[in-house]
Amino acid sequence: EAGVAQSPRYKIIEKRQSVAFWCNPISGHATLYWYQQILGQGPKLLIQFQNNGVVDDSQLPKDRFSAERLKGVDSTLKIQPAKLEDSAVYLCASSLGQGTAGNTIYFGEGSWLTVV
Amino acid sequence: AQSVTQPDIHITVSEGASLELRCNYSYGATPYLFWYVQSPGQGLQLLLKYFSGDTLVQGIKGFEAEFKRSQSSFNLRKPSVHWSDAAEYFCAVAGRNTDKLIFGTGTRLQVFP
Repeated sequence: EAGVAQSPRYKIIEKRQSVAFWCNPISGHATLYWYQQILGQGPKLLIQFQNNGVVDDSQLPKDRFSAERLKGVDSTLKIQPAKLEDSAVYLCASSLGQGTAGNTIYFGEGSWLTVV
Repeated sequence: AQSVTQPDIHITVSEGASLELRCNYSYGATPYLFWYVQSPGQGLQLLLKYFSGDTLVQGIKGFEAEFKRSQSSFNLRKPSVHWSDAAEYFCAVAGRNTDKLIFGTGTRLQVFP
């Protein structure tokens, strides 16, 4: 079974530029998550989709971050304009259904962003 | 406020030695509890999870964890560490009515031969 795919793996951009990350979840997984992991910290949930609807985006900085999941499969996370503090690993994850009980959340390898 | 504390930022052990990684949580009710491992440049892999029942949970790669309600702890253990266990370990909690994982800051494990 293929895992959660993410691209690009690494990206270096200057502040105020824009960047987009792509995620393809495990086939059949209804729930998709984007987490931000800053160096030395644990991952923090940015946004959660159930199919193509947003379940939780309370910690997404909406002035600069946006995410979409068209057709309930792939997802794109965009940052525009980027700030230095956005340097982090962006982890995409997916699970079969909503709710952690009985549903394992599978993580991709992450997209490493450096803003200079 | 809901939170997870991993008091040890960095732990070093010799190969073959036993291991215990500490995790304490603050939550309004009994949460679901998880341990994840992250190898360098890799995503997070689930080691084990506790939902209910037996408070001693067995996971993959020979790891186990024990839920202690009175201490709000969920410590991870392994009787004999292998060099391949060197990685970062994250404890996480989730509510019973939510899908949101709250992670600790992680413990980096270094294993010496």
